[in-house]
Amino acid sequence: GAVVSQHPSRVICKSGTSVKIECRSLDFQATTMFWYRQFPKQSLMLMATSNEGSKATYEQGVEKDKFLINHASLTLSTLTVTSAHPEDSSFYICSASMGQGGVETQYFGPGTRLLVL
Amino acid sequence: AQKITQTQPGMFVQEKEAVTLDCTYDTSDPSYGLFWYKQPSSGEMIFLIYQGSYDQQNATEGRYSLNFQKARKSANLVISASQLGDSAMYFCAMRGTGRRALTFGSGTRLQVQP
Repeated sequence: GAVVSQHPSRVICKSGTSVKIECRSLDFQATTMFWYRQFPKQSLMLMATSNEGSKATYEQGVEKDKFLINHASLTLSTLTVTSAHPEDSSFYICSASMGQGGVETQYFGPGTRLLVL
Repeated sequence: AQKITQTQPGMFVQEKEAVTLDCTYDTSDPSYGLFWYKQPSSGEMIFLIYQGSYDQQNATEGRYSLNFQKARKSANLVISASQLGDSAMYFCAMRGTGRRALTFGSGTRLQVQP
């Protein structure tokens, strides 16, 4: 099956620091990965689409200078939350698309819980 | 624009019974895909089932089946023979033409009771 890993699974940091989250597709190559954010008891909201070798595409309202995305290889995308503040505390989850039998399915990583103090 | 609506914030079902989780959608895309994901308390999103808008038959995957009614724009998930491990949040999602990201509904929390 398609396995996506995410690291770290949980992070607590002080306000003003930067946090990097890694998303890896372990057994397939992903030219496109997606970053979502989920606040407690809410649904997943797309933050940005990460494209290998090019700039990420951000959703409206998501600050690209605050949420830096780098897709350096076909198996790795990173999300860096710069100068994190308490309102950035959330569950961040990435996904990678894999096509099989003519269907493209998104497989998700286990998520990263960020708590900014 | 695409929209997914899940009107049941919470559902209860007895173990071994079947349960239907509702999902309606709105899109102007001629071709689209519908997905269901399960999110246990650990947070991971587990892919359950997929239905393409042009698929003639309803999708099935083990105990999961998708009741797809295109004219009504509904894609309900049916879980047969519920198990305690089915207790989780369930999200319906859609992907339209030209957009690879998913649009999610608000989710339904299913609790299976012994």
